[in-house]
Amino acid sequence: NAGVTQTPKFQVLKTGQSMTLQCAQDMNHNSMYWYRQDPGMGLRLIYYSASEGTTDKGEVPNGYNVSRLNKREFSLRLESAAPSQTSVYFCASLGSNYEQYFGPGTRLTVT
Amino acid sequence: KQEVTQIPAALSVPEGENLVLNCSFTDSAIYNLQWFRQDPGKGLTSLLLIQSSQREQTSGRLNASLDKSSGRSTLYIAASQPGDSATYLCAAGVSYSGGGADGLTFGKGTHLIIQP
Repeated sequence: NAGVTQTPKFQVLKTGQSMTLQCAQDMNHNSMYWYRQDPGMGLRLIYYSASEGTTDKGEVPNGYNVSRLNKREFSLRLESAAPSQTSVYFCASLGSNYEQYFGPGTRLTVT
Repeated sequence: KQEVTQIPAALSVPEGENLVLNCSFTDSAIYNLQWFRQDPGKGLTSLLLIQSSQREQTSGRLNASLDKSSGRSTLYIAASQPGDSATYLCAAGVSYSGGGADGLTFGKGTHLIIQP
């Protein structure tokens, strides 16, 4: 099993550009999550999806949109990137024992 | 709002020592407590998961305890090794809407260095 995969691994954007971060899991999990990790701030929840077709805001949703395309895939979109969105983004899914499994992360720099 | 605090923020000890990392949370209404390890520039590796009904979990040289009533969890590392050097993150499973597993609230981590 690949577990949770994320693409791309690295990305550099200019202010105002848009991009979509992709996440997929092959563990047949219902719930999926997007977090961002910043130095000194820990990981913070951006959006989550409890099941296919549903999404909800987390702690820091402003500037982001998400799509739960199907049970496997959960994407995060930045419509107009800002330097404050420079961060490491992690996707996760929730197992049947309520353990979260994380992807390897996407390192995004906005200049 | 749930807040998770980890103490100390950084710790440096000689190889072979036993050590304890502390995690506290403000709201006892958690459904689990998860400990992760993160190496520099890498993702999160799950170490131990304690369900809210459990008191502790063990894996090899690691032992994690949970006391919901006092809002505390500890990660005990026995006979530390240089390979244990990493950042250790504690995360409380919280339900924002009361309907189930909605996310994790993370502490800022303890940066651990084991000196050879």
